[in-house]
Parts: sequence; structure tokens; C-alpha cells
Amino acid sequence: QQPVQSPQAVILREGEDAVINCSSSKALYSVHWYRQKHGEAPVFLMILLKGGEQKGHDKISASFNEKKQQSSLYLTASQLSYSGTYFCGTLLRGGSGGSNYKLTFGKGTLLTVNP
Amino acid sequence: GAGVSQSPRYKVAKRGQDVALRCDPISGHVSLFWYQQALGQGPEFLTYFQNEAQLDKSGLPSDRFFAERPEGSVSTLKIQRTQQEDSAVYLCASSTVADLYNEQFFGPGTRLTVL
Repeated sequence: QQPVQSPQAVILREGEDAVINCSSSKALYSVHWYRQKHGEAPVFLMILLKGGEQKGHDKISASFNEKKQQSSLYLTASQLSYSGTYFCGTLLRGGSGGSNYKLTFGKGTLLTVNP
Repeated sequence: GAGVSQSPRYKVAKRGQDVALRCDPISGHVSLFWYQQALGQGPEFLTYFQNEAQLDKSGLPSDRFFAERPEGSVSTLKIQRTQQEDSAVYLCASSTVADLYNEQFFGPGTRLTVL
């Protein structure tokens, strides 16, 4: 049930763009994106919900294809501060007992932005 | 305002020792989660509290793991008779309400090393 993230790692020069993908084999209610810097807490970026609703930061954009059970995070004009590991967390449809809190995270995508 | 805090930040235990990890969630947050994060992996769900009630402990790896939140605020994750495979970062997260729409706020984690 763990979502699959791609790529595993990406290296950018400052100002370049990147796309991080997250796919699931199960039908999803929502996808949550977090960024974690080494030794620090994961930080919330965005929630994408079935039906197109989104909640998150203005400077981050993402998409959620419900039919394909896929989400993509778009990082444009990258800054040094974007470096870190990006995780997607998925909430599955049809969870038992209404477990709409149980995030299952992917293995992460390590993003490095160089000057 | 203060975020989620965890203590200790680092813990080294000899195999067989008991350890207790503390989490102070954001004041007023009803929902509290514990996750285990192995090196190079995403956070993995352990257990979930709504106020003082432990509603889901399906992710606890064995009966050596025990979590409590007696007054609906601070939570403690206890691991008895620690084993080397327990070595990981233990993350705590809280949210206002655990549902599809609300992000989880993570603490910095406790890095547990079992020798």
C-alpha cells in the first residue's frame, strides 16, 4: 500500500524546475506532501483532495489525478531552501472504521539545489 | 507559537533496556500520532490518539511498544526490552482534527540507537 515516489533523487541548479511524482495502486481520498530537511521535522507543503480541492502554500503547486491515483509536486524556479527530502503521504479510500487519518508515506525524493 | 516538541532528541540504549519517549503536541490539538522512521525511509504509522483515547494502535510492531496520553495532551511512547531493530527516529505529530483536510504538525523526533 506504500505509494511509490519518483525520482528517488534529483539535483538542480538554483532557478531550475523539478517535478516529483507519487503513485498508488489503491484508490485515494487525498495526497499530502511534506518536506524534511536532514535532522529536522517534516514540514507540511500541501494537501490535495479528491474532487480538486487543494490546501497549501502559494509558491508550491501540485496536481492529483484521481483516476490514475497519481500526484505530482511542481517546484519552479528552485531556491537553495528547497533542498530536502520530499514525502508524499496517501489516505486510502475505503479504510476500515473510517480511518481517514492514517497517512502512508512513500520512501521520499531527495532534492538537492546547488548554487 | 510553540510547535511540537519531543524529548529526548537522542537516546542510546543497551539492548534489553526500557526507554520512554515524550511528545508535547501543539496546545489544543486533539489528534496525536506516533511514527517510526527508519534511515532512508518515510515515516511509518504507529498509533493514533484522539484526546486521551487511543483509537488505533495497529502500527505498533510488537507488544513491547506501548503509548499513552492520559490527560489528552502530553504523550509517551514506551519501548520495553529494546532490540537493535528498534533503532530509528520516532516522530510525533499533532493536528487540530484528524481528517482529510488538516495537516499534521511534526516534532523534530527522537533518534533511538539500540546497541
